[in-house]
Amino acid sequence: DSGVTQTPKHLITATGQRVTLRCSPRSGDLSVYWYQQSLDQGLQFLIHYYNGEERAKGNILERFSAQQFPDLHSELNLSSLELGDSALYFCASSPGLAGTDTQYFGPGTRLTVL
Amino acid sequence: TQLLEQSPQFLSIQEGENLTVYCNSSSVFSSLQWYRQEPGEGPVLLVTVVTGGEVKKLKRLTFQFGDARKDSSLHITAAQPGDTGLYLCAGDRDDKIIFGKGTRLHILP
Repeated sequence: DSGVTQTPKHLITATGQRVTLRCSPRSGDLSVYWYQQSLDQGLQFLIHYYNGEERAKGNILERFSAQQFPDLHSELNLSSLELGDSALYFCASSPGLAGTDTQYFGPGTRLTVL
Repeated sequence: TQLLEQSPQFLSIQEGENLTVYCNSSSVFSSLQWYRQEPGEGPVLLVTVVTGGEVKKLKRLTFQFGDARKDSSLHITAAQPGDTGLYLCAGDRDDKIIFGKGTRLHILP
């Protein structure tokens, strides 16, 4: 158990819909990262928040947005869903900002768009 | 193009054999990390290498960071079925974490 929790574990929805994925970091960790993992693209970095502020953006679509709240939990919002958005979505947390920090990954949310 | 290329993509070997998997890039990274991911779970960090030429050992696993900090290798000695999984390398570039697509390793008992 990494100490990072993600809900829901599974999500099935239809094209065009909007969903929200939730992540609670390990106690004391200030950084939250979101990733998308699909079979063909591998693990893709989406976005990084540190102590409530956006730090870096990766391959995140404009239909996707995220935020980190004062209690440090984070939400990833996916809208106008397409079939290609079906994937595993992971969040990870780390203590600070260093690239050498250990990232602790949650168990993931499996999103299926029908 | 993938910034971090991992090879081979798939590897299936017998228990007790040795193996090496590679993580290569044309870019310099300040550090590289290796993760292992098992089905249905998130990746788990194995090691971070920071200095060019650095070698780190974790029991039967040996990690090496290239002198130019553009590549890394993972060598497993006497592979065991418990080593089965997806091995991912990752590098930090401009505050973005770049992952390779991974090597899927299967150790046959």
